[in-house]
Amino acid sequence: KQEVTQIPAALSVPEGENLVLNCSFTDSAIYNLQWFRQDPGKGLTSLLLIQSSQREQTSGRLNASLDKSSGRSTLYIAASQPGDSATYLCAVTGGGGNKLTFGTGTQLKVEL
Amino acid sequence: DGGITQSPKYLFRKEGQNVTLSCEQNLNHDAMYWYRQDPGQGLRLIYYSQIVNDFQKGDIAEGYSVSREKKESFPLTVTSAQKNPTAFYLCASSIGGGSGYTFGSGTRLTVV
Repeated sequence: KQEVTQIPAALSVPEGENLVLNCSFTDSAIYNLQWFRQDPGKGLTSLLLIQSSQREQTSGRLNASLDKSSGRSTLYIAASQPGDSATYLCAVTGGGGNKLTFGTGTQLKVEL
Repeated sequence: DGGITQSPKYLFRKEGQNVTLSCEQNLNHDAMYWYRQDPGQGLRLIYYSQIVNDFQKGDIAEGYSVSREKKESFPLTVTSAQKNPTAFYLCASSIGGGSGYTFGSGTRLTVV
């Protein structure tokens, strides 16, 4: 059974710092990996989708990498801002039904 | 704009009552999913459907039921058999075949 782990569970940084969020998964037979953002009490917003054949994806200040063979992904956030404060979720797709398996998230707080 | 609409945003259920959560999408996606989110546990898959008139149980289907009579709609019924229904429920859809997911804004269900 696929298991996804995110480290750290919580992170507090001053504004302007570059930071890295980590995600690991136990079964490397995935179709893709997706990073989401969730604000309190809200749904999930997709940030980046990396196909299993890709190594990284970039969107603005966000860069996500994927090392499928080692079961790891990182989300790099450059020049963090208070508006980046949210919970970041990593999820992998695999198995029948194209099902997503989620990590428990990293709660990020960017302080002024 | 295309997207997923979940309603209601907040729902209160009395003991022994069945309630139905609505999920509608206009993205022309074939696959739809229901997830439950509890604090500290991440998202867990309840049911999913890859095509109209067909659906499969996820990891925590007991006490829930679904239907998929139309491509656009995938309602979730929380039955009285679900002993701990208080949670945040998220609906998602996907084209399938390794594409990413799109999520709705969620329904918060509380037992009173």
